[in-house]
Amino acid sequence: DADVTQTPRNRITKTGKRIMLECSQTKGHDRMYWYRQDPGLGLRLIYYSFDVKDINKGEISDGYSVSRQAQAKFSLSLESAIPNQTALYFCATSEKTGWSEQFFGPGTRLTVL
Amino acid sequence: RKEVEQDPGPFNVPEGATVAFNCTYSNSASQSFFWYRQDCRKEPKLLMSVYSSGNEDGRFTAQLNRASQYISLLIRDSKLSDSATYLCVVKSTNAGKSTFGDGTTLTVKP
Repeated sequence: DADVTQTPRNRITKTGKRIMLECSQTKGHDRMYWYRQDPGLGLRLIYYSFDVKDINKGEISDGYSVSRQAQAKFSLSLESAIPNQTALYFCATSEKTGWSEQFFGPGTRLTVL
Repeated sequence: RKEVEQDPGPFNVPEGATVAFNCTYSNSASQSFFWYRQDCRKEPKLLMSVYSSGNEDGRFTAQLNRASQYISLLIRDSKLSDSATYLCVVKSTNAGKSTFGDGTTLTVKP
């Protein structure tokens, strides 16, 4: 079984709809992250959480919100989806140390029409 | 200026070639450095960390130049299976979050 899972894997929705992307991990890591990736670009950080009570904005948080329901779960919401939020979304986890590797989920491909 | 910059390529090389990727970063407080590999439409996976002394893993060699704020990845004896996008990642340990470059695409041809 995968250590970091994301649901759904693919989603097509319409402008104005509320969407929730979910991430679960079995690695026991405290740190979790949400990124988006647009074609030809690297990953941009949306939100990150260093423990259950900690939520931080990344570089592109506008239009998104998150919830850290438990150590193992971190959800990303689009309150009112717009077409330029069409992208590939990745969840990741890591340990606390500076040299710790990030482990990524398989991604959610979101299309907003 | 982006915080982490990479030559986007694409690099198209024959099997057996040696290829080098470069990455520069602007935040002098950066503490940890990595190369990730991303196959098409898949999640990124760690290729190697980049230590101050440089490090080697088989055909892959990574080097760090803190004075010039520069990271490199050298791939020797390229294989078809090396075809992927290589992402340079820089982490400010104090902030605890990572910044990704846009990636360099490599295609190794028979």
